[in-house]
Amino acid sequence: QSALTQPASVSGSPGQSITISCTGTSSDVGRYNYVSWYQQHPGKAPKVIIYDVNNRPSGVSDRFSGSKSGNTASLTISGLQAEDEADYYCNSLRGRPYVFGTGTKVTVL
Amino acid sequence: EVQVVQSGAEVKNPGESLRISCQTSGYTFSSYWIGWVRQMPGKGLEWMVIFYPYNFETFYSPSFEGQVTISADRSISTAYLQWSSLKASDTAMYYCTTTRDGNFRWDYWGQGTLVTVSP
Repeated sequence: QSALTQPASVSGSPGQSITISCTGTSSDVGRYNYVSWYQQHPGKAPKVIIYDVNNRPSGVSDRFSGSKSGNTASLTISGLQAEDEADYYCNSLRGRPYVFGTGTKVTVL
Repeated sequence: EVQVVQSGAEVKNPGESLRISCQTSGYTFSSYWIGWVRQMPGKGLEWMVIFYPYNFETFYSPSFEGQVTISADRSISTAYLQWSSLKASDTAMYYCTTTRDGNFRWDYWGQGTLVTVSP
């Protein structure tokens, strides 16, 4: 069961915007509007930051936004801050259970 | 407040059995899905299995089918992940997560259980 494809790393300077892509297939990302994104800091459990493609849970900064086009979902972080340095994973329904992306390390320069 | 608390780190020998636990509170246990996620050292997240305590509906990822077993004790709102014969390749952090039925995001996560399998 292959993972969704994400870039291994993305970097940006404070205040910049960055976008992380998540490419799947017509059986997962392209089929369902149930893409979520998780932020994981070193040594910590993942935390959901986007769900159902473009919704933010209560308490998550509005600097995080999500979108989807065809088989590719995207996470955009605007106004990049030092605290955004972490690993990010997309997740999609693919029948059951689910499938994660390969993960992207975000570095704040 | 929903809480998810996992059992502590384990060090085991290859071939040994193991059961780790995930105790939840703050919600109706049977109404939420439970999921187990593996993270091998320095690697990404992988879904192992999801489980619905209400009717014991279970879905294993193909890579983990037959390798682990999920179970639960609804009376103490606790889920378990069990191995009958550990391998060195089972060394990883294991996360328990939960979400309300009907949601497709995983809101609540345990702190993780580190399992080390080494002779």
